[in-house]
Amino acid sequence: QQQVKQSPQSLIVQKGGISIINCAYENTAFDYFPWYQQFPGKGPALLIAIRPDVSEKKEGRFTISFNKSAKQFSLHIMDSQPGDSATYFCAASTNAGKSTFGDGTTLTVKP
Amino acid sequence: NAGVTQTPKFRVLKTGQSMTLLCAQDMNHEYMYWYRQDPGMGLRLIHYSVGEGTTAKGEVPDGYNVSRLKKQNFLLGLESAAPSQTSVYFCASRDRDDIQYFGAGTRLSVL
Repeated sequence: QQQVKQSPQSLIVQKGGISIINCAYENTAFDYFPWYQQFPGKGPALLIAIRPDVSEKKEGRFTISFNKSAKQFSLHIMDSQPGDSATYFCAASTNAGKSTFGDGTTLTVKP
Repeated sequence: NAGVTQTPKFRVLKTGQSMTLLCAQDMNHEYMYWYRQDPGMGLRLIHYSVGEGTTAKGEVPDGYNVSRLKKQNFLLGLESAAPSQTSVYFCASRDRDDIQYFGAGTRLSVL
């Protein structure tokens, strides 16, 4: 049973466009929802994260929207740049420390 | 500040051979994790540790063992490698704000 479902699997966006990646979770015990960015040959690195007490968090061009009742959260990348081309993973964690990751989205931003 | 360091970076094994992957962190984090990453499957938790001397099973623990004898080190062992264990292995440590810091990964091929 996959606890975190991520879509789409791949995404192609023109430079300057908006990239949107969605995730849905099942376990209501999750209380921390990070997004990680991974470049080829590197380990994932935290991009932005949110806790369920807020519905939106913005850091620069990156925004997380969180819908607790629907058990969904999404990453929006505004003014997408070629340097944003990477694989993005959503994740969900409990306070016990275990994290469950989505399958990843490969984003390509075309110049 | 090195963060999370994994050794080795690459390894090729024959079926049935054993090996140990080493993860070291210099951030004094209590929590440490071992994940495997396979194409299209995101990051799957193998084992994790909530502190020195403690370990626990994750999502895919079969065929792996771990040890956390020192707070800064988390070892992942393969006693009898199988082709199904061909993967990229990532170690991570977690801070008090739930942020996970990943190493650069170990690329393992089992022939």
